[in-house]
This record gives sequence, structure tokens and C-alpha cells, in this order.
Amino acid sequence: DIVMTQSPDSLAVSLGERATINCKSSQSVLYNVNNKDYLAWYQQKPGQPPKLLIYWASTRESGVPDRFSGSGSGTDFSLTISSVQTEDVAVYYCQQHYNNPRTFGQGTKVEIK
Amino acid sequence: QVQLQESGPGLVKPSETLSLTCAVSGYSISSGYWWGWIRQSPEKGLEWLVSLHHSASPYHNPKFNSRATMALDMSTNQFSLRLSSVTAADTAVYYCARAKVDQAGAFDYWGQGTLVTVSS
Repeated sequence: DIVMTQSPDSLAVSLGERATINCKSSQSVLYNVNNKDYLAWYQQKPGQPPKLLIYWASTRESGVPDRFSGSGSGTDFSLTISSVQTEDVAVYYCQQHYNNPRTFGQGTKVEIK
Repeated sequence: QVQLQESGPGLVKPSETLSLTCAVSGYSISSGYWWGWIRQSPEKGLEWLVSLHHSASPYHNPKFNSRATMALDMSTNQFSLRLSSVTAADTAVYYCARAKVDQAGAFDYWGQGTLVTVSS
């Protein structure tokens, strides 16, 4: 199985500041045939299901604010919130869909400082 | 607007079979996409179990291969999950979802989730 490791486990950010969450896969999730990274990011608020933010490592899902961006390739990825808002308080997960079984990171909790 | 809603017993006895249904509205499951089940527990986090497409064979997480089965009912626009021989380790919130990319990648629509507790 591909192990997805996120860091940090939690971070506290001041309103309007930048937040960066890292995700490292135990093997590459880059598919050489189409040059796409099979990596997605989700946001989960308490009592709600995960919400898709980013797929193909950097493609923003429709309706997701542009303060959310994804970057990276191969085994190292990042989700950046350029200017954290109160509504961004949540747990964020990465997921690889390169290999079976599809696996998720353990989550990173974002709070307001 | 695509909506999914899980239903089923909230309590299942050990060794029995967990059965859940996901009702889909706003999109016909026979039109495409893979549909799947994901569960979440404090101990194991998010775990994908199985996905199914109307014109393909099921795509299983090998960990659940023989225990998890899934079916689509095009007449009611629903799909189901059966997880056999459950133990306390199967206690989790179970979500149904639609996969935007391939068999189980980038799930773009989710149900609200249903808590299933395995206990005698």
C-alpha cells in the first residue's frame, strides 16, 4: 500500500496569513503516460463529509475559492491556503488514486491562532 | 445538484452482515462515473472499501476483497454495500460517494454519512 504522510498534524494560523500543509507519498503517484499526479485534497468540517478541493495535485474543483492551491509532483505535495479565513477551520486530507488500494493521509487540523 | 443519502441499521451484531443503501438524486447512476463506499473511524481514519461502475466489474480494496460487496440498482437509482463477518473494528461512519476521476479517485459528491456500530 502507498502510505500518505501529512505534516504537520495541526497548525494554528492568524487570520489572513498563509497556511501550508504537506503530504508525502511512500512511492511516486505520477503516471508517466499522461504526466498527471494522482493526488487529491479534501477539506472536512466537523459533522460533515469530506469536500473535494483539488485533484490531479493542482486542479481546483469548481466552486473552490482561489485562495486554495495545490502543488508538487512525484512524492511530495502541498496544499496552500494563501489567506486563511475563519471558514477554513477544518481537517485537511490528501488521497492518492494511483494505486490499489486508494489511501488517505492521516489529516491536518487547521485552527485560527 | 447531485445528492447522496445513506441509510441502514446503526447497530450490527458481531459476525453478522452490515447492509447500507445509498440513494442518489440529481444524476442517473447508469449515466456514468464510478460510485463507492468510504468509511471513517478515529482509529483508522479514512478508508476506501469498494467502487462500482454500471458497465464494469467491482473495484475492491484488497483488504476488504472477500467481505465487501457492492451493487447498483438502476431502477431505483441506488447502490448498496454489504460487509460480511463484521467485528468491532468495522465500527465507523460509512459514506457513499461519486468518484470524479477513475475508479476511486477524487470523490466529488458525498453523502452525509451514517454511523454503524458493531456490538452485541
